Amino acid sequence: SQQGEEDPQALSIQEGENATMNCSYKTSINNLQWYRQNSGRGLVHLILIRSNEREKHSGRLRVTLDTSKKSSSLLITASRAADTASYFCATVSYTGRRALTFGSGTRLQVQP
Amino acid sequence: ETGVTQSPTHLIKTRGQQVTLRCSSQSGHNTVSWYQQALGQGPQFIFQYYREEENGRGNFPPRFSGLQFPNYSSELNVNALELDDSALYLCASSPGQGLDEQYFGPGTRLTVT
Repeated sequence: SQQGEEDPQALSIQEGENATMNCSYKTSINNLQWYRQNSGRGLVHLILIRSNEREKHSGRLRVTLDTSKKSSSLLITASRAADTASYFCATVSYTGRRALTFGSGTRLQVQP
Repeated sequence: ETGVTQSPTHLIKTRGQQVTLRCSSQSGHNTVSWYQQALGQGPQFIFQYYREEENGRGNFPPRFSGLQFPNYSSELNVNALELDDSALYLCASSPGQGLDEQYFGPGTRLTVT
């Protein structure tokens, strides 16, 4: 079963605009990761944020984590047509199996 | 691109048949995880192998089984295929036991008719 939900399910923006995607999860976590998937292909790791971190940056990406609300957000600034893809959050819990539990994803379309 | 490779790229099987999917992990990685991704959904964890031992399993029936070899490559076997097994099967490797970043292969698209 999915750990949580991403919001929105789909997002369409113009090139140069910012894109924000949100992720909610259900259980206590060790870390939360964001992955990108181009149509029907493998996933590419974007960024990892640990449970004791609140914000992290990587290039045009900014991730926040609020463990009290069990939520995270991914911001892509100055989007490009090449950012068009599906974005998934995935959590790793403190206990139990050491595997990624994915959300349902946000499909981002960046119009040139 | 990651150094994880999967074969075959695409596969078409008939209900009731058996299938074997293969994965070569990135150099230096001793953990391999398998995921099933149905169309329009996020990947779901099938199982993980660490140094040739099963190290965790998701909610999949026993007809999903696997192996990890001494070179850390891995196989996923599915017996008695059902129509709902049609999906993209993803393999991911990592240097630790799956806590941090995982490196995904391009996937195998399985269609069961």
